[in-house]
Amino acid sequence: DIQMTQSPSSLSASVGDRVTITCRAGQSVDTYLNWYQQKPGKAPKLLIYAASVLQSGVPSRFSGSGSGTDFTLTISSLQPEDFATYYCQQTYSIRTFGQGTKVEI
Amino acid sequence: QVQLQESGPGLVKPSGTLSLTCAVSGASISSGNWWSWVRQSPGRGLEWIGGIFYNVATSYNPSLKSRVTISIDRSKNQFSLKLTSVTAADTAIYYCARDLLYTGSYSEIPYMDVWGKGTTVTVSS
Repeated sequence: DIQMTQSPSSLSASVGDRVTITCRAGQSVDTYLNWYQQKPGKAPKLLIYAASVLQSGVPSRFSGSGSGTDFTLTISSLQPEDFATYYCQQTYSIRTFGQGTKVEI
Repeated sequence: QVQLQESGPGLVKPSGTLSLTCAVSGASISSGNWWSWVRQSPGRGLEWIGGIFYNVATSYNPSLKSRVTISIDRSKNQFSLKLTSVTAADTAIYYCARDLLYTGSYSEIPYMDVWGKGTTVTVSS
């Protein structure tokens, strides 16, 4: 299995901050990389697919970049509704997820 | 609007079989998409269990392959998960999801665009 490692595991930020979350794959996954947001008690919600394509309906303050082994999710200006846990997922081979990054106030 | 809804017993006895169903509305189960099961537990995080395409192909996580069966019921527009010989380690929230493919310049990249709300399954005597 391809291991996905996110950093940091958690972070504290304020409304309006620029937030960057990193995801590193154990081997190249090209751009077979997706990002999800999960709030407590809810299912994951797709934000970004194919490393950088914004899912319809997702605010443009979210962006994704990277290819190969290193990827980044950026929130340009954190909003109150963005406090959640974020997961990366590779679909290059047997699908695996990162351990999550919790964004807290 | 595509919606998925999981259903099934919330409690399964050790060594028993976990059986869940995902009802699909707003889309046909035969629409040419893959349909997946994912589970989440504090110890394992998010774990992809497997998926099915029509009734033509299935793909399973090797770590669970010997115990998992995913099937489709076209008449009911739903797909199902069976996990045998369960232990406490199979206690989790189980989600179903639809897979789409992004067609890039030289590849097709799967992603899960719609998820069910999830159902909690506890394995305990």
